[in-house]
Amino acid sequence: AQTVTQSQPEMSVQEAETVTLSCTYDTSESDYYLFWYKQPPSRQMILVIRQEAYKQQNATENRFSVNFQKAAKSFSLKISDSQLGDAAMYFCAYRSGIIQGAQKLVFGQGTRLTINP
Amino acid sequence: DTEVTQTPKHLVMGMTNKKSLKCEQHMGHRAMYWYKQKAKKPPELMFVYSYEKLSINESVPSRFSPECPNSSLLNLHLHALQPEDSALYLCASSHSPGTDLVEQFFGPGTRLTVL
Repeated sequence: AQTVTQSQPEMSVQEAETVTLSCTYDTSESDYYLFWYKQPPSRQMILVIRQEAYKQQNATENRFSVNFQKAAKSFSLKISDSQLGDAAMYFCAYRSGIIQGAQKLVFGQGTRLTINP
Repeated sequence: DTEVTQTPKHLVMGMTNKKSLKCEQHMGHRAMYWYKQKAKKPPELMFVYSYEKLSINESVPSRFSPECPNSSLLNLHLHALQPEDSALYLCASSHSPGTDLVEQFFGPGTRLTVL
């Protein structure tokens, strides 16, 4: 079974600074998808970024980028120019590469990010 | 329409009550999911519907009964719940199984309190 580990339960960063959230995973599959989701205190889970395992290029979405190291099974999220609105719980998630049928997401335990003004 | 909606936002019920949670999406997604989330924890998958058929049941107690009347609507019927069932219940949807569009889109959730 696949597992996802987020080793940082809490992190904080000064506004406008850069922060990196860590995620490691364990799988025997070669094809899979990885995601970062953000859940602000208002509670709606929002997709931040997605990475396909078959792509070597790291995904980027505006101020959010990932460092995907497939051999090391590592998938960290970098947030540049942190803003107050980035404060949230961040979940790393894994999905099998099997595209037939609806597949479950395997979530990490989450990292609570605080932005200091 | 690019969102998943859930009603009600809050629900308080007694252990003998019967209530239902509703989830709706109009994005043409053909996979829909129910999750349970306790405070400061990740969501736990409960059920998955694929093309309106139940495809995954994560050994959820029978006091939770899902229903998918059509491709846009997902219900969760609740009966004889226990206080430990109090949680945030999240609905999600994703594109048709068999495509590369695998990301799930979540609704805002229903905060359930069982007294």
